[in-house]
Amino acid sequence: GQNIDQPTEMTATEGAIVQINCTYQTSGFNGLFWYQQHAGEAPTFLSYNVLDGLEEKGRFSSFLSRSKGYSYLLLKELQMKDSASYLCAVRSQTGANNLFFGTGTRLTVIP
Amino acid sequence: DVKVTQSSRYLVKRTGEKVFLECVQDMDHENMFWYRQDPGLGLRLIYFSYDVKMKEKGDIPEGYSVSREKKERFSLILESASTNQTSMYLCASSLPLYSNQPQHFGDGTRLSIL
Repeated sequence: GQNIDQPTEMTATEGAIVQINCTYQTSGFNGLFWYQQHAGEAPTFLSYNVLDGLEEKGRFSSFLSRSKGYSYLLLKELQMKDSASYLCAVRSQTGANNLFFGTGTRLTVIP
Repeated sequence: DVKVTQSSRYLVKRTGEKVFLECVQDMDHENMFWYRQDPGLGLRLIYFSYDVKMKEKGDIPEGYSVSREKKERFSLILESASTNQTSMYLCASSLPLYSNQPQHFGDGTRLSIL
């Protein structure tokens, strides 16, 4: 089966750095995705990791350790518009590109 | 940009009605998916399709069926709506397996069953 854990809520200050963690247990790991979802909107793709290490994309970075079943999303220079839910999703080799989602971390950025 | 369009943003139906949710994508993606999203439970896969007329059950298929007659369109059907099917429904599409391309989501349909 699949099990994905991430914190329910986090709060951080504008301009700061925040790290959102995700731990997972899955059979046939085939990649990990991070999505951002603003309230009432569609999830939008942020990053993808399939090999160990750090992927950097502007203010956002994502890290993966397959041996530890662990990933984090790092958001730098936080802006108010970064207030959203961040979804960790693990892809399994079974099925057609199936993703298994965590329940999401709701990030609130305060002035 | 990939565009996934869901036919309604908000829908209100009555218990026992047959409900159709429509989804269209414009990127010629092979895979299409239907999820529901509930507070504290995250996104859960209902059904997916990897080709025209092909369908596979996801984690929570009970009470739902799907139809994919054309590559760009994937319909979710609630055969006899019940109040526990009140939820946000999200459609997504993607390229095939072993691609590192993500799933692209529509804006969602918030369905209320009274």
